[in-house]
Amino acid sequence: DAKTTQPPSMDCAEGRAANLPCNHSTISGNEYVYWYRQIHSQGPQYIIHGLKNNETNEMASLIITEDRKSSTLILPHATLRDTAVYYCIVRVYNAGNNRKLIWGLGTSLAVNP
Amino acid sequence: DAGVTQSPTHLIKTRGQQVTLRCSPKSGHDTVSWYQQALGQGPQFIFQYYEEEERQRGNFPDRFSGHQFPNYSSELNVNALLLGDSALYLCASSGIATDTQYFGPGTRLTVL
Repeated sequence: DAKTTQPPSMDCAEGRAANLPCNHSTISGNEYVYWYRQIHSQGPQYIIHGLKNNETNEMASLIITEDRKSSTLILPHATLRDTAVYYCIVRVYNAGNNRKLIWGLGTSLAVNP
Repeated sequence: DAGVTQSPTHLIKTRGQQVTLRCSPKSGHDTVSWYQQALGQGPQFIFQYYEEEERQRGNFPDRFSGHQFPNYSSELNVNALLLGDSALYLCASSGIATDTQYFGPGTRLTVL
Protein backbone atom coordinates (compact mmCIF):
# COMPACT_ATOMS: atom_id res chain seq x y z
CA ASP A 1 0.00 0.00 0.00
CA ALA A 2 1.34 3.39 -1.02
CA LYS A 3 2.40 5.66 1.81
CA THR A 4 2.29 8.81 -0.31
CA THR A 5 -0.43 11.03 -1.77
CA GLN A 6 0.18 13.16 -4.84
CA PRO A 7 -2.09 15.25 -7.08
CA PRO A 8 -2.90 13.23 -10.19
CA SER A 9 -1.87 15.98 -12.60
CA MET A 10 -0.22 19.40 -12.81
CA ASP A 11 0.68 21.93 -15.49
CA CYS A 12 3.71 24.17 -15.70
CA ALA A 13 4.90 26.77 -18.18
CA GLU A 14 8.20 26.15 -19.88
CA GLY A 15 11.04 28.00 -18.15
CA ARG A 16 9.17 28.34 -14.89
CA ALA A 17 9.75 26.36 -11.72
CA ALA A 18 7.66 23.22 -11.28
CA ASN A 19 6.75 22.48 -7.67
CA LEU A 20 5.40 18.97 -7.13
CA PRO A 21 3.90 18.28 -3.69
CA CYS A 22 3.73 14.98 -1.86
CA ASN A 23 2.09 14.00 1.41
CA HIS A 24 3.56 11.15 3.48
CA SER A 25 1.95 11.72 6.86
CA THR A 26 2.57 8.18 8.12
CA ILE A 27 6.29 8.15 7.38
CA SER A 28 8.52 6.69 10.07
CA GLY A 29 11.72 8.23 11.36
CA ASN A 30 14.09 6.01 9.38
CA GLU A 31 12.16 6.01 6.10
CA TYR A 32 13.58 7.95 3.18
CA VAL A 33 11.62 9.84 0.54
CA TYR A 34 12.62 9.10 -3.05
CA TRP A 35 11.55 10.79 -6.26
CA TYR A 36 11.56 9.15 -9.68
CA ARG A 37 10.06 10.15 -12.98
CA GLN A 38 8.84 8.08 -15.91
CA ILE A 39 8.56 9.35 -19.43
CA HIS A 40 5.88 7.55 -21.44
CA SER A 41 6.38 3.90 -20.49
CA GLN A 42 10.15 4.08 -20.35
CA GLY A 43 11.94 2.84 -17.25
CA PRO A 44 11.68 5.18 -14.25
CA GLN A 45 14.54 7.62 -13.82
CA TYR A 46 15.96 8.39 -10.38
CA ILE A 47 15.83 12.08 -9.46
CA ILE A 48 16.67 12.63 -5.81
CA HIS A 49 16.11 11.33 -2.29
CA GLY A 50 16.31 12.59 1.29
CA LEU A 51 15.61 11.79 4.93
CA LYS A 52 15.08 15.05 6.78
CA ASN A 53 17.37 17.68 5.27
CA ASN A 54 16.72 19.51 2.04
CA GLU A 55 18.66 18.11 -0.88
CA THR A 56 19.76 19.50 -4.23
CA ASN A 57 21.40 17.95 -7.25
CA GLU A 58 21.80 18.79 -10.91
CA MET A 59 18.24 17.75 -11.68
CA ALA A 60 16.12 19.09 -8.83
CA SER A 61 15.73 20.19 -5.24
CA LEU A 62 13.88 18.31 -2.54
CA ILE A 63 12.29 20.26 0.31
CA ILE A 64 11.12 18.17 3.29
CA THR A 65 9.01 19.77 6.00
CA GLU A 66 10.34 19.75 9.54
CA ASP A 67 7.70 17.23 10.69
CA ARG A 68 8.56 15.11 7.61
CA LYS A 69 4.90 14.67 6.76
CA SER A 70 5.23 16.24 3.34
CA SER A 71 7.80 17.21 0.74
CA THR A 72 8.09 19.19 -2.49
CA LEU A 73 10.14 18.39 -5.55
CA ILE A 74 11.29 21.50 -7.37
CA LEU A 75 12.39 21.54 -10.99
CA PRO A 76 13.88 25.05 -11.17
CA HIS A 77 13.49 25.72 -14.89
CA ALA A 78 11.09 23.23 -16.44
CA THR A 79 11.55 22.25 -20.08
CA LEU A 80 9.30 20.31 -22.43
CA ARG A 81 11.48 17.26 -21.81
CA ASP A 82 10.44 17.32 -18.15
CA THR A 83 6.93 16.25 -19.13
CA ALA A 84 6.54 12.92 -17.32
CA VAL A 85 4.87 11.11 -14.43
CA TYR A 86 6.64 11.97 -11.18
CA TYR A 87 6.56 9.44 -8.36
CA CYS A 88 7.09 10.29 -4.71
CA ILE A 89 8.06 7.10 -2.91
CA VAL A 90 8.78 6.09 0.65
CA ARG A 91 11.42 3.48 1.34
CA VAL A 92 10.09 1.17 4.02
CA TYR A 93 11.60 -1.60 6.10
CA ASN A 94 10.20 -5.12 5.88
CA ALA A 95 10.60 -7.97 8.31
CA GLY A 96 14.23 -8.99 8.30
CA ASN A 97 15.26 -5.36 7.96
CA ASN A 98 14.94 -5.50 4.18
CA ARG A 99 14.19 -2.22 2.43
CA LYS A 100 11.56 -1.73 -0.27
CA LEU A 101 10.24 1.16 -2.33
CA ILE A 102 6.46 1.59 -2.15
CA TRP A 103 5.12 3.28 -5.30
CA GLY A 104 1.86 5.20 -5.67
CA LEU A 105 0.17 6.56 -8.79
CA GLY A 106 2.36 9.63 -9.23
CA THR A 107 1.70 13.10 -10.65
CA SER A 108 1.48 13.57 -14.39
CA LEU A 109 3.33 16.83 -15.09
CA ALA A 110 2.67 18.60 -18.38
CA VAL A 111 5.15 21.33 -19.29
CA ASN A 112 3.56 23.68 -21.78
CA PRO A 113 5.35 25.95 -24.29
CA ASP B 1 29.37 2.71 -18.08
CA ALA B 2 26.52 0.48 -19.20
CA GLY B 3 23.21 0.99 -17.50
CA VAL B 4 20.60 -1.62 -16.76
CA THR B 5 19.65 -3.63 -19.80
CA GLN B 6 16.61 -5.83 -20.37
CA SER B 7 15.59 -8.27 -23.05
CA PRO B 8 13.47 -8.68 -24.99
CA THR B 9 11.92 -5.26 -25.54
CA HIS B 10 8.52 -6.61 -26.48
CA LEU B 11 6.96 -10.03 -26.20
CA ILE B 12 3.61 -11.52 -27.20
CA LYS B 13 2.41 -14.75 -25.63
CA THR B 14 -0.86 -16.65 -25.33
CA ARG B 15 -2.64 -17.71 -22.18
CA GLY B 16 -1.11 -20.70 -20.46
CA GLN B 17 2.34 -20.22 -21.92
CA GLN B 18 5.51 -19.53 -20.00
CA VAL B 19 7.84 -16.57 -20.41
CA THR B 20 11.39 -15.67 -19.34
CA LEU B 21 12.59 -12.09 -19.11
CA ARG B 22 16.23 -11.13 -18.66
CA CYS B 23 18.06 -8.31 -16.93
CA SER B 24 21.69 -7.24 -16.67
CA PRO B 25 22.41 -4.85 -13.81
CA LYS B 26 24.36 -1.64 -13.93
CA SER B 27 28.10 -2.13 -13.55
CA GLY B 28 29.06 -2.44 -9.89
CA HIS B 29 25.56 -3.36 -8.72
CA ASP B 30 24.80 -6.68 -7.06
CA THR B 31 21.10 -6.45 -6.23
CA VAL B 32 18.27 -6.84 -8.74
CA SER B 33 14.61 -6.02 -8.18
CA TRP B 34 11.71 -6.81 -10.49
CA TYR B 35 8.51 -4.81 -10.86
CA GLN B 36 5.26 -5.18 -12.77
CA GLN B 37 3.60 -2.03 -14.08
CA ALA B 38 0.08 -2.22 -15.45
CA LEU B 39 -1.16 0.55 -17.69
CA GLY B 40 -1.84 3.73 -15.71
CA GLN B 41 -0.48 2.29 -12.47
CA GLY B 42 2.73 2.67 -10.54
CA PRO B 43 5.25 -0.18 -10.50
CA GLN B 44 4.37 -3.09 -8.18
CA PHE B 45 7.25 -4.87 -6.48
CA ILE B 46 7.58 -8.55 -7.43
CA PHE B 47 10.81 -9.67 -5.75
CA GLN B 48 14.44 -8.83 -5.13
CA TYR B 49 17.57 -10.93 -5.56
CA TYR B 50 20.88 -10.62 -3.80
CA GLU B 51 23.71 -13.16 -3.67
CA GLU B 52 21.71 -15.44 -5.96
CA GLU B 53 18.86 -15.71 -3.47
CA GLU B 54 15.42 -14.17 -3.26
CA ARG B 55 15.72 -11.71 -0.43
CA GLN B 56 12.20 -10.33 -0.33
CA ARG B 57 9.00 -10.77 -2.25
CA GLY B 58 5.89 -8.77 -2.98
CA ASN B 59 2.33 -10.02 -3.17
CA PHE B 60 2.68 -12.13 -6.32
CA PRO B 61 1.73 -15.80 -6.80
CA ASP B 62 4.23 -18.61 -7.13
CA ARG B 63 3.76 -18.51 -10.90
CA PHE B 64 6.27 -15.68 -10.72
CA SER B 65 9.77 -16.95 -10.04
CA GLY B 66 13.25 -15.69 -10.57
CA HIS B 67 16.90 -16.41 -10.58
CA GLN B 68 20.12 -14.52 -10.15
CA PHE B 69 23.37 -15.68 -11.68
CA PRO B 70 26.92 -15.35 -10.32
CA ASN B 71 27.49 -12.35 -12.62
CA TYR B 72 24.49 -10.66 -10.92
CA SER B 73 22.26 -10.83 -13.98
CA SER B 74 18.75 -12.05 -13.37
CA GLU B 75 15.76 -13.74 -14.95
CA LEU B 76 12.06 -13.42 -14.25
CA ASN B 77 9.92 -16.42 -15.14
CA VAL B 78 6.15 -16.41 -15.33
CA ASN B 79 4.28 -19.69 -15.77
CA ALA B 80 0.69 -20.32 -16.85
CA LEU B 81 0.27 -16.83 -18.23
CA LEU B 82 -3.01 -15.02 -17.67
CA LEU B 83 -4.44 -12.09 -19.58
CA GLY B 84 -3.87 -9.98 -16.46
CA ASP B 85 -0.14 -10.58 -16.68
CA SER B 86 0.03 -8.16 -19.59
CA ALA B 87 2.18 -5.31 -18.35
CA LEU B 88 5.51 -3.55 -18.51
CA TYR B 89 8.06 -5.54 -16.54
CA LEU B 90 10.83 -3.45 -15.06
CA CYS B 91 14.17 -4.50 -13.69
CA ALA B 92 16.11 -2.26 -11.32
CA SER B 93 19.59 -2.72 -9.93
CA SER B 94 21.27 -1.29 -6.88
CA GLY B 95 24.32 -1.79 -4.70
CA ILE B 96 23.84 -3.35 -1.28
CA ALA B 97 25.20 -0.22 0.36
CA THR B 98 22.62 2.05 -1.25
CA ASP B 99 18.94 1.73 -2.09
CA THR B 100 19.02 4.01 -5.08
CA GLN B 101 17.61 1.78 -7.78
CA TYR B 102 18.39 2.32 -11.44
CA PHE B 103 15.86 0.99 -13.89
CA GLY B 104 16.13 -0.65 -17.25
CA PRO B 105 13.86 0.27 -20.18
CA GLY B 106 11.45 -2.56 -19.41
CA THR B 107 9.93 -5.46 -21.30
CA ARG B 108 6.42 -5.01 -22.63
CA LEU B 109 4.57 -8.34 -22.27
CA THR B 110 1.25 -8.84 -24.02
CA VAL B 111 -0.78 -11.96 -23.25
CA LEU B 112 -3.49 -12.83 -25.77
